[in-house]
Amino acid sequence: GAVVSQHPSWVICKSGTSVKIECRSLDFQATTMFWYRQFPKQSLMLMATSNEGSKATYEQGVEKDKFLINHASLTLSTLTVTSAHPEDSSFYICSASWGQGGSYEQYFGPGTRLTVT
Amino acid sequence: KQEVTQIPAALSVPEGENLVLNCSFTDSAIYNLQWFRQDPGKGLTSLLLIQSSQREQTSGRLNASLDKSSGRSTLYIAASQPGDSATYLCAANNNDMRFGAGTRLTVKP
Repeated sequence: GAVVSQHPSWVICKSGTSVKIECRSLDFQATTMFWYRQFPKQSLMLMATSNEGSKATYEQGVEKDKFLINHASLTLSTLTVTSAHPEDSSFYICSASWGQGGSYEQYFGPGTRLTVT
Repeated sequence: KQEVTQIPAALSVPEGENLVLNCSFTDSAIYNLQWFRQDPGKGLTSLLLIQSSQREQTSGRLNASLDKSSGRSTLYIAASQPGDSATYLCAANNNDMRFGAGTRLTVKP
C-alpha cells in the first residue's frame, strides 16, 4: 500500500516553455503533498507543501509564480514549471501523506527528471 | 530551522564489513526520523522510520537508532554486500521533512 506515482518519469523541454509534472497517490487519499528538488550530487530540498483545496506554501527562495502547484483533489497534485530555463533542470520528487503535519509518514514518488535545453 | 548533517560524506568498504552511518539534527522536536536509500538517478527507497518515542528499528541487516535528546541517529549495516552500494539519506521530520546531504557508500567485492 501507500504507492505514489509521478508522470512523466523524464521530460526534455526547450527554454521558455512550460512543463507539467503530475503526482498521484494510487491507493490512499493524500491530504498533504510535498514537492522536492534535487540537483546532481545534492540532497533533496523542499520546494513547497500543498494541502488539498488550499494554496501551496512555498519555501523561502522558491518562486511561486514560476513553480505553480495545484492540489485539486485528494489523489493528484501537479507542479508546472513555467518559462523553464536550463537552471531549472533537476530531479523533481513528490511525496504524499494522508494527514497534515509531521506525525504522518510521507510516501515518495519515483521522481521526474527535467532537462531544459 | 532544522539542519541535518550526515557523516561521512562517502565511505568505501570491503564486502562483509559492518558499518555505521551517522546523522545529526539540530532541532530535537521531531515526530520521526527516516532513513532512505537512493540509487544513482533513481528515487528514494524507505529503509527505516523511527518514531520520536522509539529508540531503534530493525529490518534484516539494517538497524537504526535514535537519540532524540542529543540529536543523533545511526544506521548500522551488518555484513555489507556490493548490492548495498548507494547513497543513504536521513531525514528529520518536524512539520516538514529535512534531508541530510547523504553518505555515498561503496562496497567492494
